[in-house]
Amino acid sequence: AQSVTQPDIHITVSEGASLELRCNYSYGATPYLFWYVQSPGQGLQLLLKYFSGDTLVQGIKGFEAEFKRSQSSFNLRKPSVHWSDAAEYFCAVGARGGSQGNLIFGKGTKLSVKP
Amino acid sequence: EAQVTQNPRYLITVTGKKLTVTCSQNMNHEYMSWYRQDPGLGLRQIYYSMNVEVTDKGDVPEGYKVSRKEKRNFPLILESPSPNQTSLYFCASASGVHYEQYFGPGTRLTVT
Repeated sequence: AQSVTQPDIHITVSEGASLELRCNYSYGATPYLFWYVQSPGQGLQLLLKYFSGDTLVQGIKGFEAEFKRSQSSFNLRKPSVHWSDAAEYFCAVGARGGSQGNLIFGKGTKLSVKP
Repeated sequence: EAQVTQNPRYLITVTGKKLTVTCSQNMNHEYMSWYRQDPGLGLRQIYYSMNVEVTDKGDVPEGYKVSRKEKRNFPLILESPSPNQTSLYFCASASGVHYEQYFGPGTRLTVT
């Protein structure tokens, strides 16, 4: 069965520091991979996605993520964090074929940013 | 503007009083889904619909009903709400080969 693990429940970084949020998945083949962000009191906004091709994908707000098949990982990175990046981040995995459309979400990583 | 809308955004109700949360999308998406979000549990899928008149259970369907009579609408029905259904609910829609999902703003439901 598909599953998604975000090992870090809460991360605090200083403004201007780099950021890496971890995501590991379990799936029999290469899945579709997504990162969403949820600001306080808001819905979920898509940051970036991986379907195929280049394993380093760029997203909005200066975020990028790298798909590593050998490690079943899709970690999210940002070189310099801004205070407005404080939010909760969700990694999600989608199936190819079959129940295509359904996403399995990780439990989220809450990011706090210190001034 | 392409969007998913949900109504109401906030709802406080009592145990056993039937309620409906509406969801509508203006992107002509085939796929729609309902999730609930609870602290520490992330998002869990309640029901989804691949197209009109096609619905299926997600991971936590107990106590919920849905219908998909029109492509744009996907209401969530709680026939007899209970306090354990107090949660934040999200509707989402998607289309295309990769099913990139677009989320509504959420409905915060409190059942007392």
